[in-house]
Amino acid sequence: VHLVESGGGLVQPGGSLRLSCEVSGFNFNPYNMNWVRQAPGKGLEWVSYIGGGGTPIWYTGSVKGRFTISRDRPKNSLYLEMNSLRDEDTGVYYCVRDLDWAFVDWGQGALVAVSS
Amino acid sequence: QSALTQPASVSGSPGQSITISCTGTNTDIGRFDRVSWYQQHPGKAPKLVIYEDIRRPSGVSDRFSGSKSGNTASLTISGLHSDDEADYYCCSFASSVTWVFGGGTRVTVL
Repeated sequence: VHLVESGGGLVQPGGSLRLSCEVSGFNFNPYNMNWVRQAPGKGLEWVSYIGGGGTPIWYTGSVKGRFTISRDRPKNSLYLEMNSLRDEDTGVYYCVRDLDWAFVDWGQGALVAVSS
Repeated sequence: QSALTQPASVSGSPGQSITISCTGTNTDIGRFDRVSWYQQHPGKAPKLVIYEDIRRPSGVSDRFSGSKSGNTASLTISGLHSDDEADYYCCSFASSVTWVFGGGTRVTVL
């Protein structure tokens, strides 16, 4: 099982980034997927969820209206569109497969740095 | 949704057992049988070690065990090894349709 994130980088406050996660080694389509982030030196924070069929979609309160999760079945890929970025969005963003309400498989993470 | 409460650090000698507590509320830990635990070594992605309160994924050592009573879940590591030294996070599904994590516990092997 491989989950490989890309698209991280340095962005100014108020800017946008799109994270991608390419999945291989398992049948992507039935599985629920998530983004989980970790600020530098801090703990884990769940960000967003998308069901295997594309619904339901859930977000943590601090990103509602700013972030959009999506998936592309033919490309075996998960995305996170991030707009109106804030300093507090800085961190490593992990693409995660969930099963039985637990986060089973994790990518290596993509670093997002929001700074002027 | 507030984070679950874990002790900042726990330590033990090789071969000993340690227990990490994780306290939530009746809207998360106390409501659902969906507590999971993760081990994270420095610079690495987290690894699932317990799910659905007490279940252990295939390939995880049976030295790891989970339990729950009311609004508090616990992770016990028995026969402590040097490679158990890591950060451990609890997590629960919550009635606000989110997942909530604990702040993390640093385990030190003396």
